[in-house]
Amino acid sequence: AQTVTQSQPEMSVQEAETVTLSCTYDTSENNYYLFWYKQPPSRQMILVIRQEAYKQQNATENRFSVNFQKAAKSFSLKISDSQLGDTAMYFCAFMKYNNNDMRFGAGTRLTVKP
Amino acid sequence: SQTIHQWPATLVQPVGSPLSLECTVEGTSNPNLYWYRQAAGRGLQLLFYSVGIGQISSEVPQNLSASRPQDRQFILSSKKLLLSDSGFYLCAWSVWGVEQYFGPGTRLTVT
Repeated sequence: AQTVTQSQPEMSVQEAETVTLSCTYDTSENNYYLFWYKQPPSRQMILVIRQEAYKQQNATENRFSVNFQKAAKSFSLKISDSQLGDTAMYFCAFMKYNNNDMRFGAGTRLTVKP
Repeated sequence: SQTIHQWPATLVQPVGSPLSLECTVEGTSNPNLYWYRQAAGRGLQLLFYSVGIGQISSEVPQNLSASRPQDRQFILSSKKLLLSDSGFYLCAWSVWGVEQYFGPGTRLTVT
């Protein structure tokens, strides 16, 4: 079974600085997807970024980028130039290719301080 | 553009009462649909998913059931609620089964 581990329950960062959230996963699959979702206080889950395992290039979306290390089964999220609106729970998620079962980590609560 | 609706937004129900939560998607056809539950301070647990009308797959044995009477409608039900059914319920959709897009959620409190 696939498991997703987020080892940092809470983190904080000063506005305009950079923060990295960690995620590791366990799988024997070779083809899969990894995601980071953001859940602000409104509790709406918002997709931040997606990575296909077959791609070596790390995904980037504006201020959000990932460091995908397939051999180490690591998938960290870097947020640059942190903004107050980035305050939220961040969930790492894994999904096998051609499968509907998305597995989520327990989440990291990020607070951006002014 | 696609939108997903869930209602009600909040619900307080006594133990033993029935439950019906509704989710509808607009702007897409034949989506995959999902029901998740999020316990307080926890990640999401997949409860059910559906790849088409009348096709439901259950991931976790529990007190809940799901139905998909129309292409873009997904319903989560229970005949008798338990205290342990309290939580935040999220509906999601996807096309081609990759990234999932979530609704605003329903906060259920069973008293």
